[in-house]
Amino acid sequence: AQKVTQAQTEISVVEKEDVTLDCVYETRDTTYYLFWYKQPPSGELVFLIRRNSFDEQNEISGRYSWNFQKSTSSFNFTITASQVVDSAVYFCALSDGYTGKLIFGQGTTLQVKP
Amino acid sequence: NAGVTQTPKFRVLKTGQSMTLLCAQDMNHEYMYWYRQDPGMGLRLIHYSVGEGTTAKGEVPDGYNVSRLKKQNFLLGLESAAPSQTSVYFCASSLGALSNQPQHFGDGTRLSIL
Repeated sequence: AQKVTQAQTEISVVEKEDVTLDCVYETRDTTYYLFWYKQPPSGELVFLIRRNSFDEQNEISGRYSWNFQKSTSSFNFTITASQVVDSAVYFCALSDGYTGKLIFGQGTTLQVKP
Repeated sequence: NAGVTQTPKFRVLKTGQSMTLLCAQDMNHEYMYWYRQDPGMGLRLIHYSVGEGTTAKGEVPDGYNVSRLKKQNFLLGLESAAPSQTSVYFCASSLGALSNQPQHFGDGTRLSIL
C-alpha cells in the first residue's frame, strides 16, 4: 500500500532561519510521482513541485529547494531564509502513474515568527 | 480564468439531510477527484473519475455517491448526511496521471453537519 509520512506535526522558527520539512513515502510502484503543496491560512492548496521517480536531481526555486533520495524514500523540502508569509500547512503527496490519485501526508504546520 | 470552481463554499446541514456538491472545471481535464480534509489527517480521496461517464472509489467512499455526466462537472452527493461527514471538501482536476501538469484544486467547500 502507498503511504506518506510527515513526522513533523508543527514547526516554529524565527524569520530568516532555514527550515527543512521531512517527507518519507512508501510504494511498490517503480513509476510514481511526488508533490509538495502549500495551504496558507486562507485555505486553498497551492502547488509547489512535482517530481517523478526517475528524476533524482535536487531542485531549487528561489528560497525553496527539494532533496529527493530514492535510497531512503524521502523527499524533503527546505525553505532558506524563511519569511512570515511562509507560514502555512505544507503537504507532501504521492501518486501513481495510472489514476493520478494523490496520497497525502498528514501535513506539517510551519509558523514563522517575525 | 476560472480553473476549478466549487459550489457552494459553505453549507450547514442537519443529520439525515441530503445535498450535492458541484465541481466544475474549464480546462478540458479528463481526470477529476473529490477529497476531504479533516484536522490532522491531511486530504483523503473519496471518489475519482478518469473520464466522462466513469467513476471509481477512493480511500473513504462510504456515505458518498458521485456522477460525471459531463466532462467538465463532477458531482459529490451525500444521501443522508451524518456528523462524521463534517469536513472541508476539495475537488481537483488534471489532464491525466502521466501529465506534466499537477492537479488543480478548487478553493474547498466547508460542510458542517449538525
